[in-house]
Amino acid sequence: GENVEQHPSTLSVQEGDSAVIKCTYSDSASNYFPWYKQELGKRPQLIIDIRSNVGEKKDQRIAVTLNKTAKHFSLHITETQPEDSAVYFCAASISIDGGSQGNLIFGKGTKLSVKP
Amino acid sequence: DVKVTQSSRYLVKRTGEKVFLECVQDMDHENMFWYRQDPGLGLRLIYFSYDVKMKEKGDIPEGYSVSREKKERFSLILESASTNQTSMYLCASSTLDRGRRNEQFFGPGTRLTVL
Repeated sequence: GENVEQHPSTLSVQEGDSAVIKCTYSDSASNYFPWYKQELGKRPQLIIDIRSNVGEKKDQRIAVTLNKTAKHFSLHITETQPEDSAVYFCAASISIDGGSQGNLIFGKGTKLSVKP
Repeated sequence: DVKVTQSSRYLVKRTGEKVFLECVQDMDHENMFWYRQDPGLGLRLIYFSYDVKMKEKGDIPEGYSVSREKKERFSLILESASTNQTSMYLCASSTLDRGRRNEQFFGPGTRLTVL
């Protein structure tokens, strides 16, 4: 089955710096890669996702890149702010016919701390 | 706005008790999931369901069972609670609609302590 490795487990940056979190996956059939953010005491929420037919996707200060050959994908946060402090989870799954596929395999999470 | 609710935020039970965790979603989602979240281990899938009365084992089903009698409700059952089941339990739901995002919507979590 699919296995997702996530690094680093903790990351501390100064406000304004960039943060990068990396994930690798094992199943080459995986084609959907979301990122979830979980603030302290709150539920995980989707912040960005990418499908395997694109190599990069951006949404304001966050971007995700995907390298299918190497089977890894990364989350990039630029101009970090204290409110970016949270635990971030990557995940992978197989999406059937471009539609919905429920089963996500999550990485173990990265705790990001942004120091003011 | 999707709402996923869980019956309790905090629960304390004794070893050997039967424990029911309830999850309800109001967006007519087909898929529902139960995860447990432990520090350093991320989100691990216990059971999931793609339809009423249907259930599939996830990665760590031992010691758990589930019930889905209605589309909006997915219950997690600990037949005989043990201390190693002390954890945060998260429910999630998602739609099967083609062309829509595969986003999973999570409940607020139930922190279960087994003494």
